[in-house]
Amino acid sequence: SQTIHQWPATLVQPVGSPLSLECTVEGTSNPNLYWYRQAAGRGLQLLFYSVGIGQISSEVPQNLSASRPQDRQFILSSKKLLLSDSGFYLCAWSGVGGPWSYEQYFGPGTRLTVT
Amino acid sequence: QQPVQSPQAVILREGEDAVINCSSSKALYSVHWYRQKHGEAPVFLMILLKGGEQKGHDKISASFNEKKQQSSLYLTASQLSYSGTYFCGTAPRDGRDDKIIFGKGTRLHILP
Repeated sequence: SQTIHQWPATLVQPVGSPLSLECTVEGTSNPNLYWYRQAAGRGLQLLFYSVGIGQISSEVPQNLSASRPQDRQFILSSKKLLLSDSGFYLCAWSGVGGPWSYEQYFGPGTRLTVT
Repeated sequence: QQPVQSPQAVILREGEDAVINCSSSKALYSVHWYRQKHGEAPVFLMILLKGGEQKGHDKISASFNEKKQQSSLYLTASQLSYSGTYFCGTAPRDGRDDKIIFGKGTRLHILP
């Protein structure tokens, strides 16, 4: 069965510090991978998605970046965090063929607080 | 492009029914429904791929009206465990795009 991992679970970082969040998927090959951010009490904002190694599409211009160094690994990074980067970061995967016809499975999330 | 969900929030007593609507300004290929409990990740409920399709399991079902570009989620005889925020996600029909766009969510609170 497929499993998706995210770490860390919680993170408190000062403004201006770097960020690295990692997501890995087990039990599937060549998944589509997604990074979402959810501000407190808000909806799911798509940040990045990837259909393959090294292929990243950015949805929102910001100080965040994403990379996919391996088939089942997705990393979210920032060189300098802003207060507005606080939120609940969710990684998700869906099957090959496109999310229009496949469900997305979400990881447990990372709760980031920028102070 | 973001689908519009209504109502924004609803409070029910256990055993009552609820309907959550999701509408889009674009022609849709599919509609997805997820539920998120407080502090947890969203959990997949169902996908509707064809206009006129209806799906359901347990007492939660959904319909997809392709012509009207909208979907509705029906919760029958609601249980306390149904509480949470419900998100619809839509995939537009205007080309290959490897993502779905989520609405802002509908908060559902079930009272005993």
